[in-house]
Amino acid sequence: AQKITQTQPGMFVQEKEAVTLDCTYDTSDQSYGLFWYKQPSSGEMIFLIYQGSYDEQNATEGRYSLNFQKARKSANLVISASQLGDSAMYFCAMREISRSNDYKLSFGAGTTVTVRA
Amino acid sequence: KAGVTQTPRYLIKTRGQQVTLSCSPISGHRSVSWYQQTPGQGLQFLFEYFSETQRNKGNFPGRFSGRQFSNSRSEMNVSTLELGDSALYLCASSFSGTGVSAFFGQGTRLTVV
Repeated sequence: AQKITQTQPGMFVQEKEAVTLDCTYDTSDQSYGLFWYKQPSSGEMIFLIYQGSYDEQNATEGRYSLNFQKARKSANLVISASQLGDSAMYFCAMREISRSNDYKLSFGAGTTVTVRA
Repeated sequence: KAGVTQTPRYLIKTRGQQVTLSCSPISGHRSVSWYQQTPGQGLQFLFEYFSETQRNKGNFPGRFSGRQFSNSRSEMNVSTLELGDSALYLCASSFSGTGVSAFFGQGTRLTVV
């Protein structure tokens, strides 16, 4: 079964507008972490934001915020005031922590964001 | 502070050959994990090393192996290359423990012909 589901293969957004990227996850662990990464065409994976399963506040990092709805197992990324440089592939990922301390990320299929001028 | 460094950036190999990819983590990071990214399968976990020990392994054949050195640098090796091994191989490093993020290198793009 897929651990991370990203249902939007591609999205277009107008410059300066906000965009929401959907992510749902599946785990029976009580302790887990959720991540969003950006991958430009160069290939490097750039860390954007992190949310822990026990964090009560939604994470924010500059123009990025994570809308964490634990009961719905949802961790949507909101990018505010989109810029042309935001055009990239965005991945949602999860690390399940309860059973072991090893570092393994499960990734979604990704969403391609294209920002229009 | 230097980021995660992967070498080489690009590689072309022939079927049947073997290849070694290198990853130098961020200074102080002892966990190094490897991922394969292909258009068809997406990002898949290969294995993770911590203090020279493999802690977890993904569902890949034994042709894929890795190791980690005492300075936390890691290498992965693929023997008897197949066309399907063509992919972007990404390495990530992190501190151990909860609530920490993994930082990725720029990847090695392997093409098998």
